[in-house]
Amino acid sequence: QKEVEQDPGPLSVPEGAIVSLNCTYSNSAFQYFMWYRQYSRKGPELLMYTYSSGNKEDGRFTAQVDKSSKYISLFIRDSQPSDSATYLCAMSKGAQKLVFGQGTRLTINP
Amino acid sequence: SQTIHQWPATLVQPVGSPLSLECTVEGTSNPNLYWYRQAAGRGLQLLFYSVGIGQISSEVPQNLSASRPQDRQFILSSKKLLLSDSGFYLCAWSVLGGAPETQYFGPGTRLLVL
Repeated sequence: QKEVEQDPGPLSVPEGAIVSLNCTYSNSAFQYFMWYRQYSRKGPELLMYTYSSGNKEDGRFTAQVDKSSKYISLFIRDSQPSDSATYLCAMSKGAQKLVFGQGTRLTINP
Repeated sequence: SQTIHQWPATLVQPVGSPLSLECTVEGTSNPNLYWYRQAAGRGLQLLFYSVGIGQISSEVPQNLSASRPQDRQFILSSKKLLLSDSGFYLCAWSVLGGAPETQYFGPGTRLLVL
């Protein structure tokens, strides 16, 4: 069993829709949770990070962590074509190494 | 501000040839440095990480090696490339001892081994 599971998609939604991206994990030692966005043929860029259960909001993006269920989510409100990218979840136990999900490929259709 | 550079951006190499990919970071000191490989449609696989000059930890046994000759320089090498070495190679850095462990990625090198 992989430590981090992420549905690879692809996911295609119309512009303006609310998007929900999810990851599950098996190791309860993970303390920090991150979401990266990766445009085609580019390096990933950090979108958000959180270390506690609950919600964290940044503009149109909301990161949600449920440690009891070992489940994290990223919500995108009012999705735009520029949000089309691959979204990678990542998590760490706090020291040096990140474990990444497979990435979900998202397309926002105008 | 910190920036991370990788070169070359794209590389096509024959099987059995050597490889050298370079990564440099600007605007920070004593960073943790990482090499990842991303196969098409896959997540990121950590290959090597380094917490200081000359200190390299290998995550996956393979025909690749890494070196850190200077504080902000990280090099990925191979003596003889295999077809399976094709992929997107990403270098990343993070703050030494920082928490949470947020890593910042370079633009990547796309390697095709023929």
